[in-house]
Amino acid sequence: DGGITQSPKYLFRKEGQNVTLSCEQNLNHDAMYWYRQDPGQGLRLIYYSQIVNDFQKGDIAEGYSVSREKKESFPLTVTSAQKNPTAFYLCASGDFPTGELFFGEGSRLTVL
Amino acid sequence: AQSVSQHNHHVILSEAASLELGCNYSYGGTVNLFWYVQYPGQHLQLLLKYFSGDPLVKGIKGFEAEFIKSKFSFNLRKPSVQWSDTAEYFCAVNAVLGNEKLTFGTGTRLTIIP
Repeated sequence: DGGITQSPKYLFRKEGQNVTLSCEQNLNHDAMYWYRQDPGQGLRLIYYSQIVNDFQKGDIAEGYSVSREKKESFPLTVTSAQKNPTAFYLCASGDFPTGELFFGEGSRLTVL
Repeated sequence: AQSVSQHNHHVILSEAASLELGCNYSYGGTVNLFWYVQYPGQHLQLLLKYFSGDPLVKGIKGFEAEFIKSKFSFNLRKPSVQWSDTAEYFCAVNAVLGNEKLTFGTGTRLTIIP
């Protein structure tokens, strides 16, 4: 099946630890995105990548890092510098410039 | 930079009622417009989209949206809602010839009472 796979679905971490969320797509899309979803705030863009080995900061990039070594993969690391990391994280891919995105099922991170 | 406003945060309707969810965007140039839906426990999926042409677009499950350029609006409508329409709805805009970012509104939670 074509789609986007995010893992893990649920993740618990202690404060001060870095965590990495995985995102893999087999839709052959050039562009990949990471959004953060919080109640009442919609989806906010963290990072995006339009091509392998290149990525740009979104609106809320502080405390996060990404890499894009392969077209299929766009992992997100939530670092200890992120002040409020507990959230639902969504990965997406798409063919720009239309802007239409396809989303994974999300990863819920809880920092204790 | 573009932005999107959804003024209805939570809408509660009875089954068979008509629905209209508001969406306004701010951007001076040409845009592509989207409505996404997130059903409880499911991933975000595309409901409908507007790129160009007829400003009245039809999507899945009987939904439609009208692009009114003069009002910078892209409101979502459905003549008769069902309990299964209970979900969160997000409007999104992409600036054509922009930086290929899709900007989302804050979402509207729709609850349908049987």
